[in-house]
Amino acid sequence: DAGVTQSPTHLIKTRGQQVTLRCSPKSGHDTVSWYQQALGQGPQFIFQYYEEEERQRGNFPDRFSGHQFPNYSSELNVNALLLGDSALYLCASSSGTGRNTGELFFGEGSRLTVL
Amino acid sequence: AQKITQTQPGMFVQEKEAVTLDCTYDTSDPSYGLFWYKQPSSGEMIFLIYQGSYDQQNATEGRYSLNFQKARKSANLVISASQLGDSAMYFCAMREPTGANNLFFGTGTRLTVIP
Repeated sequence: DAGVTQSPTHLIKTRGQQVTLRCSPKSGHDTVSWYQQALGQGPQFIFQYYEEEERQRGNFPDRFSGHQFPNYSSELNVNALLLGDSALYLCASSSGTGRNTGELFFGEGSRLTVL
Repeated sequence: AQKITQTQPGMFVQEKEAVTLDCTYDTSDPSYGLFWYKQPSSGEMIFLIYQGSYDQQNATEGRYSLNFQKARKSANLVISASQLGDSAMYFCAMREPTGANNLFFGTGTRLTVIP
């Protein structure tokens, strides 16, 4: 049973470029959340997708956008990259809209470096 | 105000001994959930234990137990019989209200187990 898988694992971009990160949820899960974890910090919630719609959004600018596909996989897009966007981007999957306890499963993340 | 505060940037513990990682939280919502996650160097966030605000008993999961003191708004993680593989970052997180979609994370505590 595959867990949450993310790609790419590492990538380097330059300021102003755009990036797309991908996530496949754990088998049986239909909800995907994205988190940004800056170096030395805890993860911060970006947004959550359920039934192909953004259900909730954290305090992130519109440069951060996402998509969920019919197979429940998801993409995170970041436009006009800034140096401050350098971080580990974590995808978490769950079933439903996250009402049950402890069912968030995280991937190993995509580490983005912006030069 | 910080929703989750972890005041110990780093902790050391001798192998086979117990260690307590501190976590305090701030919320005015009577319904919330508290989580502890372990993050090894691979980056994946691994769920350890959950405590609901209405749970009467402290949560336990194997060698992990949560010392929940509601009046003090603290949710400390106790790891018994520490093992070398316990060396990692540990994050306390809160979901409020219980059915919300996102988690608020603390800044983490780096635990090092000494042989």
